[in-house]
This record gives sequence, structure tokens and C-alpha cells, in this order.
Amino acid sequence: NAGVTQTPKFQVLKTGQSMTLQCAQDMNHEYMSWYRQDPGMGLRLIHYSVGAGITDQGEVPNGYNVSRSTTEDFPLRLLSAAPSQTSVYFCASKEEPLSNQPQHFGDGTRLSIL
Amino acid sequence: AQSVTQLDSHVSVSEGTPVLLRCNYSSSYSPSLFWYVQHPNKGLQLLLKYTSAATLVKGINGFEAEFKKSETSFHLTKPSAHMSDAAEYFCVVSSDNYGQNFVFGPGTRLSVLP
Repeated sequence: NAGVTQTPKFQVLKTGQSMTLQCAQDMNHEYMSWYRQDPGMGLRLIHYSVGAGITDQGEVPNGYNVSRSTTEDFPLRLLSAAPSQTSVYFCASKEEPLSNQPQHFGDGTRLSIL
Repeated sequence: AQSVTQLDSHVSVSEGTPVLLRCNYSSSYSPSLFWYVQHPNKGLQLLLKYTSAATLVKGINGFEAEFKKSETSFHLTKPSAHMSDAAEYFCVVSSDNYGQNFVFGPGTRLSVLP
């Protein structure tokens, strides 16, 4: 019953450090996505993937990289962290990319950049 | 382009009284609409979805929403609030032809008073 699993749950970084946020799903979903949540702004799409080996940019991609080498995993990389990237990050997935199915969300990673 | 407006950033009700959370959307296509709930420090859980079937949609935990095309609205209601309903609620529209674009509203925080 794992669903979408995100690690770590909390992280504090210094400006300029790099890190990878992990996301894994065990539902064999083709579509996966990363969002950031900031107060009063809802969730904004960073990157998404419609299957292994295929990724694309969302609304706010700058400063983030992704890759999708397997169906299960979709890591998000911050190459050089900036204070503006302090946020809560959510990973989500759905079974079929070309559909209006609802997405399943992980519990989030709370990231602070000092 | 599609967008979502949640008319109230904060709604406060007494336990046992009705809940109304308002959502208006704009879309170039026939939209699919969703309501998600987020409890503190948790991910997003799907409450209900509208995908061009019945205009009155029933969801989990006694919530329902009515799709009104003429008013471009998708308001969320519940006849009797519970303390456990206190959370953040997001209205979401997915309205491109490929289901890639989930646009979130800014959220409404629901407080339930004893």
C-alpha cells in the first residue's frame, strides 16, 4: 500500500549546495510529476514525465533537473540551491499520461535553503 | 489558458453546520475538475472528480460538488462539518487535450470551530 513515496521528509541546505529529492511509486504509473507549493499560490508544476526516458518542463523548471531511467523512480535535482527554492515539494503520479485521471500525491519534502 | 479562482482564502464554520467552498475556473476546453484536501504536513488526497459525466459529483467523507458550466463553477459542499474536516482544500482543473496540465487554485483553509 505504499503509493507514492518521497524522501527525505525534511531537509535544510546552504545556498549553493546540491541535492536530490527522491520519488518512487509502486503502482506502475507511466506519468509522474513534481510540484512546488508556496503559500497562497497552490501547487505549480516543475517537471513531468510521461514514461521512462521522457521528461518535459512545467511552469517553473528553472534551477531543477529531472531524469526518468525507470518507471518507478523520478528524482528531482537542485544543482545549486537558492533561497527562492525554499518550498514544499510534492511528487505525483497517474496511470496513463494522456488522460484526465486524478493524480496520486506523496507526503511532500519540506526544503529550507539558508 | 486555463485558470482557477478560489474565492475565499479562509472559511470558518461551526461543527455541524454546512460547508461551502467556492471555485470558479476558466478553460478553453471541456474541463475535468477535481477537489483535493491537504491535512497539515500531509500530501494531497483526492476528494472527488468531475469528468463530463453527472454534474453532481459525490466524493469521500460526505463531500459533493456541482459542475455548472454556465457559471463556470465547481463549488464544494458538505451538509454538516466535522472537526476532522479542518484542512486546506484545492480546486484543480485539467483541461488540455492531453491531461498534462493540472492547474491548481491557491487553496482555501477550512477551520471548524467546536
